[in-house]
Amino acid sequence: QVQLVESGGGVVRPGGSLRLSCAASGFSFSTYAMHWVRQAPGKGLEWVAVISSDGYDKFYADSVKGRFTISRDNSKNSLYLQMTSLRAEDTAVYYCAKTPVLYCGGGRCYSDYGMDVWGQGTTVTVSS
Amino acid sequence: DIQMTQSPFSLSASVGDRVTITCRASQSISNYLNWYQQKPGKAPKLLIYAASILQSGVPSRFSGSGSGTDFTLTISSLQPEDFATYYCQQSYSTPLTFGGGSKMDI
Repeated sequence: QVQLVESGGGVVRPGGSLRLSCAASGFSFSTYAMHWVRQAPGKGLEWVAVISSDGYDKFYADSVKGRFTISRDNSKNSLYLQMTSLRAEDTAVYYCAKTPVLYCGGGRCYSDYGMDVWGQGTTVTVSS
Repeated sequence: DIQMTQSPFSLSASVGDRVTITCRASQSISNYLNWYQQKPGKAPKLLIYAASILQSGVPSRFSGSGSGTDFTLTISSLQPEDFATYYCQQSYSTPLTFGGGSKMDI
């Protein structure tokens, strides 16, 4: 069945780095755009980043731009989020999710589809 | 950035009730609006995309409407499994943004 499984979360000190992974199975990974979305404890959902199916287009939330890098390896059916210069406010459950279609151009991306499959999440805690 | 404002923030309802949640965008987003349901400790689940299209497998008691800046999610007859938090999300333009959530309880 269609599945996304995140890993790589943990406890890290402020200023530290962490790399999250998302393993995809049950669908043609290379044909889907992929997102990272996070949720701080007791808070709502916050979109973090998106990457196009071919990995060419990448967009980020202002809150993580310059610190986080989204990437993918279609040969390994895997999505990644490299997080550096971590702050306490980055503490959250991080979810990966897929979108069937993503259009990018003119400095932005958009889609007439939602995020239709989500992983179970991996927890990142930034604390000294 | 496009701001998404949901109301109510929380609501109490009963099984069988008809419930409506609203979502307002800070600028026109056409119909690029999605709705999600999230239960405690679980990942969000897509209910509706493109403002009114029911995601496969979602019960028909859920419906969505709206265009431009104002959108609604309606549950025609609440079932016990519907008590959850609901989020709207615009996919009109990056950065993508979610509403603050509407928590429904008994």
